[in-house]
This record gives sequence, structure tokens and C-alpha cells, in this order.
Amino acid sequence: KAGVTQTPRYLIKTRGQQVTLSCSPISGHRSVSWYQQTPGQGLQFLFEYFSETQRNKGNFPGRFSGRQFSNSRSEMNVSTLELGDSALYLCASSTGQGAGETQYFGPGTRLLVL
Amino acid sequence: GEDVEQSLFLSVREGDSSVINCTYTDSSSTYLYWYKQEPGAGLQLLTYIFSNMDMKQDQRLTVLLNKKDKHLSLRIADTQTGDSAIYFCAESNAGGTSYGKLTFGQGTILTVHP
Repeated sequence: KAGVTQTPRYLIKTRGQQVTLSCSPISGHRSVSWYQQTPGQGLQFLFEYFSETQRNKGNFPGRFSGRQFSNSRSEMNVSTLELGDSALYLCASSTGQGAGETQYFGPGTRLLVL
Repeated sequence: GEDVEQSLFLSVREGDSSVINCTYTDSSSTYLYWYKQEPGAGLQLLTYIFSNMDMKQDQRLTVLLNKKDKHLSLRIADTQTGDSAIYFCAESNAGGTSYGKLTFGQGTILTVHP
């Protein structure tokens, strides 16, 4: 089975721009979670989607949004980029059948905001 | 709220055992995970334990859980230079507000010397 894939792997943007990141889950997995990883804050939960619906959300501003498509692929969008948005963005997939399901992570998208 | 703490650094000699410790605060934590992150990569699931277990062994990995003290440890036997990485402890619970959300520790940097 192919693992979780994320595109692109690297991105450079400037302040004020917006960015869209993509995540394809493991085949058969219907839940996708997104995390932001920075040296200062560590790994922080952004949101989770299951069957095209957001089921859970972390403490991030509204500039961070996401969606999920009928094939379970997910995208996250960050609008009006700030320097502090520079981070590794990780997505993880699971079956989504329960709140504690094991999550499998992709390689991440490294975003640099200049 | 949930909080997960880990020691930041561990240095061992090749062939020795490594023990990485983690404490968590959420008494409703149901699932506890260990992930490994190598430079420039995503998170690799190493092992997990349910809160109704005390111990789990998986080849060179042994996880011990002291639920009373909310303490989790990961022991790596016969540590190799390829085990050098950042190790993250993470917890989730089965509550309805926890879908897709893992709470991570800040990670322990394991350095293995030849």
C-alpha cells in the first residue's frame, strides 16, 4: 500500500501571499489530520477532516483553512502569509473509525515565508 | 488540558540500551504513541500502547506505561547509529472532541555514538 503523500515538498512564498498544500491519504483511510511543526512551538494540531467534514479544529487563526474531497484527499490553505507561518506542515491519515485511531504521517511540506 | 513532557536530549553508545521518558497530564488519555523523525522527514510510527496495558514489546522496542504516575517510557535495546533521530511521545483519547488530534511532546533528540 502506498503511504501518505504530500505535495509540494518545498515552497517559498512572500508575506501576504496565500498557499495551498495537498495531502493524499493511504488508500481506504477516510480521516486526514494536519499539523504544523516549528522549532519554537513543536507539533501542533491544525484540524481533522473525515468524509469531507471538519470534525475537529486546533487553536489557529482563521487564515488557516482546509477541505477534503470525496476521494479523501485533503488540502489546507493559508491566506495572508506571515513570517511565523514558516514551518513543516505534516498531514496524517487514519481510518477515522474512532477518536484514537493510529495516524500515519506523510513526509511533510516545508514552507518558507520571506 | 493535555500536556506531554519529554527530556530534550539523550546520548548513548552504540550497543547500549536507550530509555526515553515521557509524562502526560490528561487522565483520559487512552492511546499513547511513539514516533521517530529523521532529519528532513515526516514522522514514522514506531509503536503504541493502550492505557489498559502496562507493557508492550516489539522486537528491540519495549514500551512501559505507569498509568498511576502518567509516565511512559520507550526502551531501545542494542541501540545503533541508525537510531539517531528525534523521538516523539504523543497521546490521544477517545473523547468526542479528540477526533484526529494527537498531542505531542517536544521530542527527545537521541544521539548514538560509535
